[in-house]
Formats: sequence, structure tokens, C-alpha cells
Amino acid sequence: NAGVTQTPKFQVLKTGQSMTLQCAQDMNHEYMSWYRQDPGMGLRLIHYSVGAGITDQGEVPNGYNVSRSTTEDFPLRLLSAAPSQTSVYFCASSFRDNREKLFFGSGTQLSVL
Amino acid sequence: GQSLEQPSEVTAVEGAIVQINCTYQTSGFYGLSWYQQHDGGAPTFLSYNALDGLEETGRFSSFLSRSDSYGYLLLQELQMKDSASYFCAGSKAAGNKLTFGGGTRVLVKP
Repeated sequence: NAGVTQTPKFQVLKTGQSMTLQCAQDMNHEYMSWYRQDPGMGLRLIHYSVGAGITDQGEVPNGYNVSRSTTEDFPLRLLSAAPSQTSVYFCASSFRDNREKLFFGSGTQLSVL
Repeated sequence: GQSLEQPSEVTAVEGAIVQINCTYQTSGFYGLSWYQQHDGGAPTFLSYNALDGLEETGRFSSFLSRSDSYGYLLLQELQMKDSASYFCAGSKAAGNKLTFGGGTRVLVKP
């Protein structure tokens, strides 16, 4: 059982470039979400999804897009990378009725120069 | 809105007991979760309080008082491997999205 798989683990971008962070889970979780974590800070919710075809914004959605075409996958797209998006990104999933117990991926460390 | 406040850092020795407090400001608050994160790692779930009172899981216990907008995580018989950051997280309604506190870094010394 792989759990929540994120790729890539590390990425360096130049300002203005676009890229997609991949997230997949094999636990049949309905709920998936993306958080970013900056040094000394907690996790801030970017976007989330309660099921295939349904997405919604979190606390800090600007500059990011998501889609949920399948239960398993929840990619995060950076449209035009900015230095302020330098962060560690975590994907997390859970069962719909147990959202307090999130399972996290190992994270993607993103640097935007 | 919803914000959760935690101390930034706590230092203790092996075998000691540490209490990490979490206070929050929100209305219609539902429950409180706790997560552990080692340096360079991903957060992992520790406990969840849906009701007021104490929940015990081995050396770790978590408490919630919704009337006081307050909860805590109690780490007993501290071990070196408990050195990590600990986050409280709240949800405004059952099954809703989680909002995380800023985290408490626990340093365990020999």
C-alpha cells in the first residue's frame, strides 16, 4: 500500500514558469487537499476536493489551479511561478467523514528563482 | 475566521512531561486534531478530540474544552525520538477542512 505519493520531491523553477505537482493516493479516499508550509509556519490550505469533479478554494488559492478527474489523482498547477511560491507543498487525503485524520504525502520542496 | 495559537518552542529532558497548549478563536468549532512532524518529514496524525475531555493513546494524551476554546497535547515519558514539531488543527464543522496552528517545536535533551 503506497498511501499518498507526491512527485517530484524537489523542483527549481524560474519566475514565470509553470509546472504541475502530482499527487496520487491508493486508499480510495474521497477527500484530497493541498497545503503549503513555509519556515516556522503551520500548514496553509491551498485547494481541496471532496470527490471527483469537485474542487474548492482554501486559505491561499491565488496562483494555483487544481482539478480532480479521478478519485486517485489531485494535481496542483502553478500557472506562473513567483518567488513567493517558494515553499514545501504537501498533498493530503482522508475519508470524507473522517477529515480530521489526514494522510500526508512526503512533500515537494519548490524553489522559485 | 479561525486561528489557532500555540507556543513556538518547548524544551524538556528525557523522561519528563510536556504539555503543548492550543487556544483558538472561532465560532461553531467542532473538534481538535494533533499532528507530529519530524524535521524534513511529513505530518502524521496523532489524535482527535471530537468531544470535551481527555483522549489517551499510549504516552500521548489530548484534551479539549470547547467552552474554554482550549486544548492541549500531553507528552509523557519523553524520549529523544519525540523531538519534533507538533501542530493542532481545527475544523469548523464535522468533516470540514482543517486549519492548522503555527506549530510547537519540542526539543528533548538527554
